[in-house]
Amino acid sequence: QSVLTQPPSASGTPGQRVTISCSGSNSNIGSNHVYWYQQLPGTAPKLLISRNNQRPSGVPDRFSGSKSGTSASLAISGLRSEDEADYYCAAWDDSLRGRVFGGGTKLTVL
Amino acid sequence: QVQLQESGPGLVKPSGTLSLTCAVSGDSISSRNWWSWVRQPPGKGLEWIGEIYHSGSTNYNPSLKSRVTISADKSKNQFSLKLRSVTAADTAVYYCARVPEFDYWGQGTLVTVSS
Repeated sequence: QSVLTQPPSASGTPGQRVTISCSGSNSNIGSNHVYWYQQLPGTAPKLLISRNNQRPSGVPDRFSGSKSGTSASLAISGLRSEDEADYYCAAWDDSLRGRVFGGGTKLTVL
Repeated sequence: QVQLQESGPGLVKPSGTLSLTCAVSGDSISSRNWWSWVRQPPGKGLEWIGEIYHSGSTNYNPSLKSRVTISADKSKNQFSLKLRSVTAADTAVYYCARVPEFDYWGQGTLVTVSS
């Protein structure tokens, strides 16, 4: 059972907009930055969104992040086949004094 | 360009100690970053193991804290992971990464716990 809760799966058709949620608590998302990662099969995770809503250099602006209270979301617009991957959220947890990941969401492009 | 590379045995016997090293290039482990270990059991999600700062300060996952030690060798610009008393449940791909953003990751190394 992960500290951060994500839906196990999500799907969309090419061109659509999809969102992936990440639910936490006051000790993690509620008081710290949220990060999002994309993991393609057989590869290491890649940083997609930093500090709630900042896109690192090279990440397409189709990807966006937001945070409200103890929840965060990753939005992907103009869905493409190459977006099919696992997506993880992460944050620092003040109570655990450690970093926590969501359980991951497998995105399927239909 | 920052690069991280994990190395260590791919097979560890049950009850033994898993030992991995992460060599860092393109950045100094004495910089203002923490350096972390993350693992991923086959077909499962990411689990944070712990991290170290160049001062020697460490943070560990409470669920693994009793079995984990992370250390750093500034002269070699690398940091290491030791996980004691391993079982089959510790079989995973182990990644090293730069934190707090996890913006750079190693390629990962599969460690299998089996006799």
